[in-house]
Amino acid sequence: DTAVSQTPKYLVTQMGNDKSIKCEQNLGHDTMYWYKQDSKKFLKIMFSYNNKELIINETVPNRFSPKSPDKAHLNLHINSLELGDSAVYFCASSGQGVGPYEQYFGPGTRLTVT
Amino acid sequence: GQQVMQIPQYQHVQEGEDFTTYCNSSTTLSNIQWYKQRPGGHPVFLIQLVKSGEVKKQKRLTFQFGEAKKNSSLHITATQTTDVGTYFCAEAGTALIFGKGTTLSVSS
Repeated sequence: DTAVSQTPKYLVTQMGNDKSIKCEQNLGHDTMYWYKQDSKKFLKIMFSYNNKELIINETVPNRFSPKSPDKAHLNLHINSLELGDSAVYFCASSGQGVGPYEQYFGPGTRLTVT
Repeated sequence: GQQVMQIPQYQHVQEGEDFTTYCNSSTTLSNIQWYKQRPGGHPVFLIQLVKSGEVKKQKRLTFQFGEAKKNSSLHITATQTTDVGTYFCAEAGTALIFGKGTTLSVSS
């Protein structure tokens, strides 16, 4: 049973389109994250939610909007896609209480903008 | 902001050779976590170090946290082809602050 799942795994779209990536975790964790991995494999935090509340919002264009309908789900919506948005997007989750905790990553969504 | 520097960026070894990757910070780290990402895969947690001078071992992998908590290393003894991938160090706070990773390739 997959701990952190993401859909879709691959996403190919044209510039200017709007797309969403979905993430779900069945670990009972309170905190979920979105990371972006660029072509040089650098992983950078984008957003963090704790119990549906936005905790971290890094310097990310406001075309990116996360939504957490409940603590098991964290979706990422991207408006007006640009070439530079091409990357692998990872969802992750971690435990609650006194940390720090290890993070569990989803399989990633490879977004290609043409 | 906080940065964790990681070297080398790439390392190629012959199977059976040892491998080490290093992480350095200009400021004191509260902790360090290590992750491995196989080609085409996602980061997978390996270990966490919290205490100054801490050393932990997992089979052929040895992890160290510096006395000043400003550096850490991961050493793999006698590499195998299954060790290929990118190894990341990260400081865990409200999110993970990753080093840029060391990509290890192993030839048999």
